[in-house]
Amino acid sequence: DSGVTQTPKHLITATGQRVTLRCSPRSGDLSVYWYQQSLDQGLQFLIQYYNGEERAKGNILERFSAQQFPDLHSELNLSSLELGDSALYFCASSVAGQGSRTEAFFGQGTRLTVV
Amino acid sequence: AQKVTQAQTEISVVEKEDVTLDCVYETRDTTYYLFWYKQPPSGELVFLIRRNSFDEQNEISGRYSWNFQKSTSSFNFTITASQVVDSAVYFCALRNSMNRDDKIIFGKGTRLHILP
Repeated sequence: DSGVTQTPKHLITATGQRVTLRCSPRSGDLSVYWYQQSLDQGLQFLIQYYNGEERAKGNILERFSAQQFPDLHSELNLSSLELGDSALYFCASSVAGQGSRTEAFFGQGTRLTVV
Repeated sequence: AQKVTQAQTEISVVEKEDVTLDCVYETRDTTYYLFWYKQPPSGELVFLIRRNSFDEQNEISGRYSWNFQKSTSSFNFTITASQVVDSAVYFCALRNSMNRDDKIIFGKGTRLHILP
């Protein structure tokens, strides 16, 4: 168990809909990352938050948005869903910045299927 | 710019053979961190190892060993006496930590099949 909790584990929804994926980081970790893994694709970095602020942005679509709340949990919102958005969405957390603990620990992922 | 290249898309070896997974990285930063993760068929991502750019010692952990060579910007991963349970997708990743932007960039992964 990595200590990172993602809910839900599975989500099936129709095109055009909006969903929210939730992530609770490991205790003490201030940084949260979101990644998308499509079939046979690597891990695409979407966005990173550190202590409530956006820190880095990757190839995140305008239809997608995220935030990190004061209790450090994070949500990824996906709207106007398309078939191509079907993927495994991972959340990871780490202690950001310099220091010995710089690896990120991943949640189990949310498998999103858009039909 | 940061980049991680895993040129081997897929590798198949027979059980008990040794296998090396290659990873080449690009970064302009002098301080950075390299990682290997394992993604078994069940789908979760498991952290295996971190290597700091300022620590060039190689590491061995049981049947796993890692060879970090700054001169060639490589961080290769060797599994000795492979087992069927080693079958997974392995990702190499890079993180810079000197800048505000310290995202972790992953290679595309190498799918490893260990045949019984």
